[in-house]
Amino acid sequence: QPVLTQSSSASASLGSSVKLTCTLSSGHSGYIIAWHQQQPGKAPRYLMKIEGSGSYNKGSGVPDRFSGSRSGTDRYLTISNLQSEDEADYYCDTWDSNTRVFGGGTKLTVL
Amino acid sequence: EVQLVDSGGGLVQPGGSLRLSCAASGFTFSNYGMHWVRQAPGKGLVWVSRVNGDGSGTNYADSVKGRFTISRDNAKNTLYLQMDSLRVEDTAMYYCVRAVDVWGKGTTVTVSS
Repeated sequence: QPVLTQSSSASASLGSSVKLTCTLSSGHSGYIIAWHQQQPGKAPRYLMKIEGSGSYNKGSGVPDRFSGSRSGTDRYLTISNLQSEDEADYYCDTWDSNTRVFGGGTKLTVL
Repeated sequence: EVQLVDSGGGLVQPGGSLRLSCAASGFTFSNYGMHWVRQAPGKGLVWVSRVNGDGSGTNYADSVKGRFTISRDNAKNTLYLQMDSLRVEDTAMYYCVRAVDVWGKGTTVTVSS
């Protein structure tokens, strides 16, 4: 089954951009992944899916500041013009016919 | 509005049972696979179980296999998770999730003596 690896933490300044990475295990480079945001004390919120081709589909109401991309086994979530409300935990996940797997999450701090 | 409302959590002793429910509205429930995902205090998200749209296919994480049972009632637009033989390590917030893209607000399960 696939394994997803995320950095435990990241930080960037208000108004700048940040690129978060989710890495698929070897042999799973074609998998679709999803990104979710969890603000402190809240339930997770779906942000987008990134296809194996690199195209992405955002959820309803997700700001244009959020975008996705890929390179090989890496899937990226880029947040532009960082706002204070973007300070949150970000999780990626993927799935196959039998299971679903989450990455460990990245805690984003907005400075 | 698409909505999932989780309920049924509470405090239970080790070895006890609980049944979680998730009431769905705003979409055709039977068209979607549904999942339960949990989050222990201060930890990350962990997938627990899934059921396909008509309820005929289910999968479980190894940590809950044989103890938890997922089911759904499409006539009532409701997802369930029957949790038996509960352990201290099952303590978590439990979220129901529509496929990939809609999360409930969660219900808290605490297993403690």
